Amino acid sequence: DAKTTQPPSMDCAEGRAANLPCNHSTISGNEYVYWYRQIHSQGPQYIIHGLKNNETNEMASLIITEDRKSSTLILPHATLRDTAVYYCIVRVAGSGGGADGLTFGKGTHLIIQP
Amino acid sequence: GAGVSQSPRYKVAKRGQDVALRCDPISGHVSLFWYQQALGQGPEFLTYFQNEAQLDKSGLPSDRFFAERPEGSVSTLKIQRTQQEDSAVYLCASSFQMGGSYGYTFGSGTRLTVV
Repeated sequence: DAKTTQPPSMDCAEGRAANLPCNHSTISGNEYVYWYRQIHSQGPQYIIHGLKNNETNEMASLIITEDRKSSTLILPHATLRDTAVYYCIVRVAGSGGGADGLTFGKGTHLIIQP
Repeated sequence: GAGVSQSPRYKVAKRGQDVALRCDPISGHVSLFWYQQALGQGPEFLTYFQNEAQLDKSGLPSDRFFAERPEGSVSTLKIQRTQQEDSAVYLCASSFQMGGSYGYTFGSGTRLTVV
């Protein structure tokens, strides 16, 4: 899996949009960008993933640059419950063979301020 | 069940003791993973099952670690002769798809403390 680079921490005011950047300059053509988050004392939670088009679901939006070397996860109206470590992971979507495990880095600790 | 269930939630073991950690994945989920998460670090892959077959155990740190999923549902991670460096949160994840293209569901983990 390609390596990703994320800032170690970020602050955001409650009610504002939280924009979390991720660099993945060595991403391959068949690798997707996945985002997970981990709230304190819980397991990681899947948020969203995409290949090259922007994606949106009920939790967040994912913006991927045209060259696919970086992406941004957007939480449109952050709440205190969004305080967590956010992991950006690039991987080939499962083919059914091998481990298909996720390679987590250290992520970004997002702190939502009241 | 509604999610991935892990037990016990907390385990304190004396050094040298054997421990067994249990994972109940979501019913029908084909893929099952175990991860180890040290304090302040991201989770690290240990092993992967597709139904009852253990397809990858390359992340197991030593031969003291053993995992099984005999009937393709519940899985157990066993650690023999625990050492202090085994202290970590052990996470289980499952997916209905082989490869988890649409994301994995994680349990809340078992926090193991070896004293």
